[in-house]
Amino acid sequence: AQSVSQHNHHVILSEAASLELGCNYSYGGTVNLFWYVQYPGQHLQLLLKYFSGDPLVKGIKGFEAEFIKSKFSFNLRKPSVQWSDTAEYFCAVNPQNSGNTPLVFGKGTRLSVIA
Amino acid sequence: GAVVSQHPSRVICKSGTSVKIECRSLDFQATTMFWYRQFPKKSLMLMATSNEGSKATYEQGVEKDKFLINHASLTLSTLTVTSAHPEDSSFYICSAKGWTSGTEQFFGPGTRLTVL
Repeated sequence: AQSVSQHNHHVILSEAASLELGCNYSYGGTVNLFWYVQYPGQHLQLLLKYFSGDPLVKGIKGFEAEFIKSKFSFNLRKPSVQWSDTAEYFCAVNPQNSGNTPLVFGKGTRLSVIA
Repeated sequence: GAVVSQHPSRVICKSGTSVKIECRSLDFQATTMFWYRQFPKKSLMLMATSNEGSKATYEQGVEKDKFLINHASLTLSTLTVTSAHPEDSSFYICSAKGWTSGTEQFFGPGTRLTVL
């Protein structure tokens, strides 16, 4: 069975600081990888996704993530965070060519950006 | 982009009553819908997968008689929490995928259920 672990439960950063949120997954085959964001009181939104090709994926709002197959990792990064990035971030995975297999989510990382 | 709506957004009910939550895909045909439950400060836990026109597949530990799922059309799935108890209080989220969305799922805004 697949599993996803996010190392940080709560990260607190000052504005303009750089961000890196860790995500590791366990699965023996090829996977699709996702990062979702949930702003306070809002629904999940897709930040970025990796299916194949260039392992450095760029998403919305200046976020990017790098897939490192040897480390089973898909860490999320942003060079300079803003107060509006305060949200809950979820890493998710499902097997490629999975048909209707649902996403498996990590437990999420809460990001608080302070002025 | 694909839009998924949920109704109601919040519901408060008395213990022992049943509550129905609707999940609609507004601009695409959802061949598969997923129901998740999100506990405070925890991740999304998959409850069940439903394909249009067939019975839902429930995850281990999820009572199918308590959480009734119907996916009668390509744009609507419903989750009914029967004989709700306070421990059923949670945030319920649906997601949907269609023929053209590949493996990407689109999430609804969630429904906050509070059982008194």
